[in-house]
Amino acid sequence: AQSVTQLDSQVPVFEEAPVELRCNYSSSVSVYLFWYVQYPNQGLQLLLKYLSGSTLVKGINGFEAEFNKSQTSFHLRKPSVHISDTAEYFCAVDMNTGFQKLVFGTGTRLLVSP
Amino acid sequence: SAVISQKPSRDICQRGTSLTIQCQVDSQVTMMFWYRQQPGQSLTLIATANQGSEATYESGFVIDKFPISRPNLTFSTLTVSNMSPEDSSIYLCSLATSVGSDTQYFGPGTRLTVL
Repeated sequence: AQSVTQLDSQVPVFEEAPVELRCNYSSSVSVYLFWYVQYPNQGLQLLLKYLSGSTLVKGINGFEAEFNKSQTSFHLRKPSVHISDTAEYFCAVDMNTGFQKLVFGTGTRLLVSP
Repeated sequence: SAVISQKPSRDICQRGTSLTIQCQVDSQVTMMFWYRQQPGQSLTLIATANQGSEATYESGFVIDKFPISRPNLTFSTLTVSNMSPEDSSIYLCSLATSVGSDTQYFGPGTRLTVL
C-alpha cells in the first residue's frame, strides 16, 4: 500500500530561522505531491504542488519544496520563518491513477517562537 | 479557486444520534470528497461523491454508517449515523474542479464531538 511518512511530529524553531519539514513516500509509479497547511481551527490550504517538470517547486508564503525521485522525498523548506507560520503541515500524495485519491502523512506541527 | 462552506462548523452530539453535515460550493464542480481527521491524526478519505452516481467508499467505511448525498454539482451532505464517541473528529469536504484535475481544495471542516 502507498504511504506517506512525515518523520517529525513537531518542529520547534525560532523566528527568522530556516526550517525544513521532511516528507517521504513509497511508490513505484509516478505521483503528484502536495503540501497543505492547516492553521488552528481552520481547514486545509494548499501550499504547493509537484506534478512534473522542475523538481524545485515554489509555493505561497515563501515556502518551497524539492522533489527527489531517487530518495522518494518531497521536503518543505522556508529560509526564514515567521510567528504566523505556526501551523500543522501535511504532505500528501496522489498516485496519479486518475481517481484523485490523496494519501496524507501524519502531519508536522511547526512551532515558531520569538 | 472555489469557495467552500460547511455547516455546522461544530457540534456536540449525544451517543446514538445522527448528524448531517452540509458542504456547499459557489461553483459547479465534478468531484467532491469527504475526509475524516481524528484527534491528533491525519486525514483519511471516507468516500468520493460524484453527482449522478452512488458514492464510492474507501476500505473501512460503509454507506450505512456514512450515507452521502450529491444532489447537484454544488452541494453534498455526509451523515454520521448512530454516533459513538469514536466518531469525534473533524469532517472535511473537498473538491476537484474536474475529472483529472490535479488539485483538491478543502472546506473549513466540521468539528464533531460525541458524548
